[in-house]
Order: sequence, then C-alpha cells, then structure tokens
Amino acid sequence: GNSVTQMEGPVTLSEEAFLTINCTYTATGYPSLFWYVQYPGEGLQLLLKATKADDKGSNKGFEATYRKETTSFHLEKGSVQVSDSAVYFCALSVLGLGGGSNYKLTFGKGTLLTVNP
Amino acid sequence: DVKVTQSSRYLVKRTGEKVFLECVQDMDHENMFWYRQDPGLGLRLIYFSYDVKMKEKGDIPEGYSVSREKKERFSLILESASTNQTSMYLCASRREGQSYEQYFGPGTRLTVT
Repeated sequence: GNSVTQMEGPVTLSEEAFLTINCTYTATGYPSLFWYVQYPGEGLQLLLKATKADDKGSNKGFEATYRKETTSFHLEKGSVQVSDSAVYFCALSVLGLGGGSNYKLTFGKGTLLTVNP
Repeated sequence: DVKVTQSSRYLVKRTGEKVFLECVQDMDHENMFWYRQDPGLGLRLIYFSYDVKMKEKGDIPEGYSVSREKKERFSLILESASTNQTSMYLCASRREGQSYEQYFGPGTRLTVT
C-alpha cells in the first residue's frame, strides 16, 4: 500500500535556524509529492509540490527535492521565522486500484514546528 | 483563487443526532474529499467523490455517509452522532489528475456530547 512517514515532532527552533523535516514514502506506482502547511486555526494549504524524480519544489523560502532512489521528499528552509510556526504535512498522490479517477492523497501524521524569537 | 467553504467553523451536537456538514467549492473541481483530523493520527480520508453522484469510501467510512448532487457541493452526514466522532472535519477539492493539489476549507470542529 501507500504510506508516508515524516519525522515526529514537535520541532522547536530559534529564529534564523536551519530547518529540515524528513519525509519518506512507499507507493505502488509513480507518485506526485506535496508539502502542506496548517497554521493555527486554519485548514491546510499547499506549500510546494514535485511531480517527477529530481524535481525541486520551492515556495516562501522552503524547498524539497523529489528523490526517487531514496524515496524521500525532505523539507528544508535556510532561515526560519516566527511566522513559520505551524504543522507541516508531507503527502503523496498516486493512482489507486482500478485506475480511472482514483487519485487520493495519503498524508503523513504531521510535524509541529515552533519557532521562538 | 480557489475557495472552499464549509458551513460551520464550530458545531456542538448531542449523541444520536443527525448531523450535516456542508462543503462548497467555486472552481468547478471534479474531485471532492472529506477528512477528519485528530491529534496524533493526522488526516484520515472518510469519503471522496470524483464526480457528481459518484462516491467512494476512504479509509474510515464507518458511521458516515455522503451526498454529491451538484458538482460544487459535497455533504458529509453523520446518521447518528457519537462521542467518538468529535473531531476536526476538513473538506477539500481538486481538479482531476494525479499532479493537481487539493484545496482545503477552513475546517469544522464538531463536538458531540
């Protein structure tokens, strides 16, 4: 089956620190990969995505590279800010059994990031 | 911008009540989804619909049903609410296709007493 494993939190950093949140996956087929962010009290919003091997997704200073050989999609940011405090979810999308329109997202359990001033 | 709206941000219901959660999207997306989010468990898919009147069970469909009579609207129904259905419910929509992302609503926090 399909699954996403991301590092357990919570992660606490000081402002301007370097961030890595690890994400690895297993998938039947060739997935698209996503990072979503959930700010307190809000729904999830897409942070970045990559749809094929070696693609790098980037947005708001965050980036992640689709590594097919290591089945990984680690999220990085060079210098975090207090406003980056949120829960981060790694996810994959792959064609399910039966084909057709059966594209579902499988999420990791989320990593809570807290950035202190 | 894509907008996904949910009928309530907070809802309190009693055990045994029938509960309707409504979700509307304005981007003509084919696919719509209902998730619940619980601490330590992440997001779990309840049901999804890839087109009008089409629905498929997700990972945890027990105790829930759905309705999609119009493309823009996807309803989640709790036939007889129970306390273990207290949770945050998130709706999402997406254009059909593997590489398209899902757009989420703000969520409904449901408490069943």
